[in-house]
Amino acid sequence: DQQVKQNSPSLSVQEGRISILNCDYTNSMFDYFLWYKKYPAEGPTFLISISSIKDKNEDGRFTVFLNKSAKHLSLHIVPSQPGDSAVYFCAASVGANNLFFGTGTRLTVIP
Amino acid sequence: DVKVTQSSRYLVKRTGEKVFLECVQDMDHENMFWYRQDPGLGLRLIYFSYDVKMKEKGDIPEGYSVSREKKERFSLILESASTNQTSMYLCASKERGQPQHFGDGTRLSIL
Repeated sequence: DQQVKQNSPSLSVQEGRISILNCDYTNSMFDYFLWYKKYPAEGPTFLISISSIKDKNEDGRFTVFLNKSAKHLSLHIVPSQPGDSAVYFCAASVGANNLFFGTGTRLTVIP
Repeated sequence: DVKVTQSSRYLVKRTGEKVFLECVQDMDHENMFWYRQDPGLGLRLIYFSYDVKMKEKGDIPEGYSVSREKKERFSLILESASTNQTSMYLCASKERGQPQHFGDGTRLSIL
């Protein structure tokens, strides 16, 4: 049973606009959440994380929001750039140990 | 910069063969992981290791084994390869409290 779900397999956004990628989880014990970005033929690279004691974490153009009551996580990218086109995976863990990954969302930023 | 190196980018093997996938990290990380990535399923954990000669099963260990004789090296072994083990295999390593760092993956085809 998938404990971390990304219900949108793909998303297309115009360059300069905001990209919003969503992620839902079922395990209320998760306390550490991450986003990874993956280009074709490369391994995933760490993008941003948030612990359950926060509801927002920001790093440049990337912001992650956590809504614990809804068990929902989102990644905002603003402004979106063509180089952001990739597959984005959200992941969750209990105590920063083993990660449970979602199935990924393919983001396409249109120039 | 953390470097996780997987010995092969592409590998083609035959059903029934014993297959070794090698992973080396250069940051003296204690924890190492093996995942497989399949379309629509995201990344699924096969095995992980938190120290030399220590190993733990992940979510899908059947048909696989691992070896960690040295801290920097974590090997995934397919005892008798089958066609349903055709996949992208990803190795990762991490230090306590830090995100996982991934290699570029090995695309394994079993014919």
